[in-house]
Amino acid sequence: DAGITQSPRHKVTETGTPVTLRCHQTENHRYMYWYRQDPGHGLRLIHYSYGVKDTDKGEVSDGYSVSRSKTEDFLLTLESATSSQTSVYFCAISERPGDGEQFFGPGTRLTVL
Amino acid sequence: GIQVEQSPPDLILQEGANSTLRCNFSDSVNNLQWFHQNPWGQLINLFYIPSGTKQNGRLSATTVATERYSLLYISSSQTTDSGVYFCAVVTYSGAGSYQLTFGKGTKLSVIP
Repeated sequence: DAGITQSPRHKVTETGTPVTLRCHQTENHRYMYWYRQDPGHGLRLIHYSYGVKDTDKGEVSDGYSVSRSKTEDFLLTLESATSSQTSVYFCAISERPGDGEQFFGPGTRLTVL
Repeated sequence: GIQVEQSPPDLILQEGANSTLRCNFSDSVNNLQWFHQNPWGQLINLFYIPSGTKQNGRLSATTVATERYSLLYISSSQTTDSGVYFCAVVTYSGAGSYQLTFGKGTKLSVIP
């Protein structure tokens, strides 16, 4: 199994509070991704990173920011959480962007009350 | 953007039965992956198969890129095969970036 961990695994927070989710990898892969999974929508890309300090937006990036200061860590921040951001968040990694296989972390279940 | 459609949306099988899951996509793709999401939510890589046929134990997959579909075969199903099966395709989205687009999945329930 790819060495990907996510923390926290579960979090309950209140509307308006900031939240940071962490993804940590031990594979030294260049590319990292954040997805959210919602019923009826499958998984959708939020942001991705193609190197340290290099990030770009995905399909559903509004309300989220990311940072990558080290190869192994990719942080997802909700500056002011809203109930619509209640979801399961997955981190993924890959060695190559276009034709590289993606491997997923265990997920973080976030509930915004 | 690209459309990824999976069928059937739900499938109930008796243990020991065989099944075929289908994934259709609306445009050419750079690669295609099949995942199994188990009842605990973990996404497990099954196949990385932009074209051709691969087999792994009781599971096999075939992608016909020119006709824009992929099939996942499950033989002699077991209760541990239950969960949701996702197809995901990678397409070039411009400026050197690529996007992985998921289908909505097929929910498989294998009953003893």
